[in-house]
Amino acid sequence: NAGVTQTPKFQVLKTGQSMTLQCAQDMNHEYMSWYRQDPGMGLRLIHYSVGAGITDQGEVPNGYNVSRSTTEDFPLRLLSAAPSQTSVYFCASRPAGAPIETQYFGPGTRLLVL
Amino acid sequence: GNSVTQMEGPVTLSEEAFLTINCTYTATGYPSLFWYVQYPGEGLQLLLKATKADDKGSNKGFEATYRKETTSFHLEKGSVQVSDSAVYFCALSGSGGSNYKLTFGKGTLLTVNP
Repeated sequence: NAGVTQTPKFQVLKTGQSMTLQCAQDMNHEYMSWYRQDPGMGLRLIHYSVGAGITDQGEVPNGYNVSRSTTEDFPLRLLSAAPSQTSVYFCASRPAGAPIETQYFGPGTRLLVL
Repeated sequence: GNSVTQMEGPVTLSEEAFLTINCTYTATGYPSLFWYVQYPGEGLQLLLKATKADDKGSNKGFEATYRKETTSFHLEKGSVQVSDSAVYFCALSGSGGSNYKLTFGKGTLLTVNP
């Protein structure tokens, strides 16, 4: 198993540009989440999904969209990037019903918005 | 709401030194407590956990005890190695159905020199 994979590893955007951060897992996990990690702060939940076709907001959802058309993929979309979205983004997944602490994290995408 | 306060870093130690990273929390009810480790260029990994008062979590020589009376969950290791160099995050998950959210501390960078 590849586990949780994220692409790209690093991206530079200009303010106002759009992009999609990709996340995929090959463990057939129902639950997937997106977090952002800012310097000097812990991870904060952006959006999460409990299965294909079902998504919900976390604590910092503004400026981000998600969809879940398949179990494997959970892309995060930035429609109009802003410098405040400069961060490291982590995707995570776990089986339905498993405790949240058991989730597997991807290696992260580092995003710089100029 | 829930919050986690972690010792500010960075922490620099020599190999075989004793490590303590302080963590205190604020939460309603009876949260579960965790320590995560993030090695350079990787996602977070669960290091250890404790789910009720007086529980001791342990893994890879690291230990932490859930102290409800002091609302603390300090991470300790008796003899650190260079390979322990990483960022360490204290986190909690709320009780009563909060299985979609982890609250993280800001993280503590540990550097161990040979």
